[in-house]
Amino acid sequence: GNSVTQMEGPVTLSEEAFLTINCTYTATGYPSLFWYVQYPGEGLQLLLKATKADDKGSNKGFEATYRKETTSFHLEKGSVQVSDSAVYFCALSAASGTYKYIFGTGTRLKVLA
Amino acid sequence: DAGVTQSPTHLIKTRGQQVTLRCSPKSGHDTVSWYQQALGQGPQFIFQYYEEEERQRGNFPDRFSGHQFPNYSSELNVNALLLGDSALYLCASSSPLAGGPRSGGELFFGEGSRLTVL
Repeated sequence: GNSVTQMEGPVTLSEEAFLTINCTYTATGYPSLFWYVQYPGEGLQLLLKATKADDKGSNKGFEATYRKETTSFHLEKGSVQVSDSAVYFCALSAASGTYKYIFGTGTRLKVLA
Repeated sequence: DAGVTQSPTHLIKTRGQQVTLRCSPKSGHDTVSWYQQALGQGPQFIFQYYEEEERQRGNFPDRFSGHQFPNYSSELNVNALLLGDSALYLCASSSPLAGGPRSGGELFFGEGSRLTVL
């Protein structure tokens, strides 16, 4: 079945450090891929998405590229800020056969000033 | 424009009791999905409602049931509560105009209802 695997946290970085959170997936066909972010005490909000191979999603300085050959969708940011501290979820939406989104277990990021 | 709203935000129940959680989707959205997020885990799909019917169900027992009303709002009911039902319950809505699942459309989440079962 479809699944998402993301690196375990927590990840602790100093402000202005480079961030990478790894995400790999298993799915048939060409799913859509997402990164959602959850700030403390809040629901999830979409950070970025990519709907086909080689697409790059980007938002607020974050980027992720849909790599079909490695079944990956790693999240990167060149210079993190304290305000980026949150839990990040990788997710997929299959191209057919189901309406559900499948989420990874989440990676907690803590950025220190 | 109000986003997805959920109520109540927090509640405490005891084992064996029943609970009803409510959700109003974002304006213009007609599809509502419910997810359970246990502590330290990612959201797990419970079910999705569209046109007042359950369109798809995840791996949850029949104790979990739902309803969608003509105005697209939705309820999640859980009967015979167990300690393991303690979680954050998230409602998400989507719009057919934006695609929705299967076409890369975005899910819009509410802030959730945190249920504690004692």
